[in-house]
Amino acid sequence: GAGVSQSPRYKVAKRGQDVALRCDPISGHVSLFWYQQALGQGPEFLTYFQNEAQLDKSGLPSDRFFAERPEGSVSTLKIQRTQQEDSAVYLCASSHGENTEAFFGQGTRLTVV
Amino acid sequence: AQTVTQSQPEMSVQEAETVTLSCTYDTSESDYYLFWYKQPPSRQMILVIRQEAYKQQNATENRFSVNFQKAAKSFSLKISDSQLGDAAMYFCAYRSYDMRFGAGTRLTVKP
Repeated sequence: GAGVSQSPRYKVAKRGQDVALRCDPISGHVSLFWYQQALGQGPEFLTYFQNEAQLDKSGLPSDRFFAERPEGSVSTLKIQRTQQEDSAVYLCASSHGENTEAFFGQGTRLTVV
Repeated sequence: AQTVTQSQPEMSVQEAETVTLSCTYDTSESDYYLFWYKQPPSRQMILVIRQEAYKQQNATENRFSVNFQKAAKSFSLKISDSQLGDAAMYFCAYRSYDMRFGAGTRLTVKP
């Protein structure tokens, strides 16, 4: 596709439910990022992939959060046993190289009730 | 980890005037990239301008320009001839391999 695609756009989960958020990066982009953005705040780094390798996962807030990119393209961010504080917009971005600009998807708005 | 600081939560500018948004960062790296992104209410992040740390010349993109002071670790964005469509959240970002963002500055443009 022409841009980074995220699905679903909106997700409502009951507390304790597991969710999976999908990111389709731009074809051929090596780097992929996940961010968490609370309302009115800046994107908070969660994790970074280079191809299928997860090089940095220091931003994942707890062991309930897990990300994968098994074939170096599509990535999934999984949140287990969701809590209210997980409510946020989750942004995915991809870039062609290690130091080029990142292109963002429209985000997935997660609401935990 | 590298940190990015935007000290102006909100800024306001009159249409057609000039405004400068501030950004500082902390790093021990010598090779890195800096970016300004714009996020309108639709939430799609859009790249405004980029600066390579090894370049002394400040980047310019039409009405947008930066003042990059490497020794001071400062990277400000100047918007000239402000337009109503410039109203948005602006985020400064630092990249060495991963990418980190500041907290953002909300820019309001008054007609």
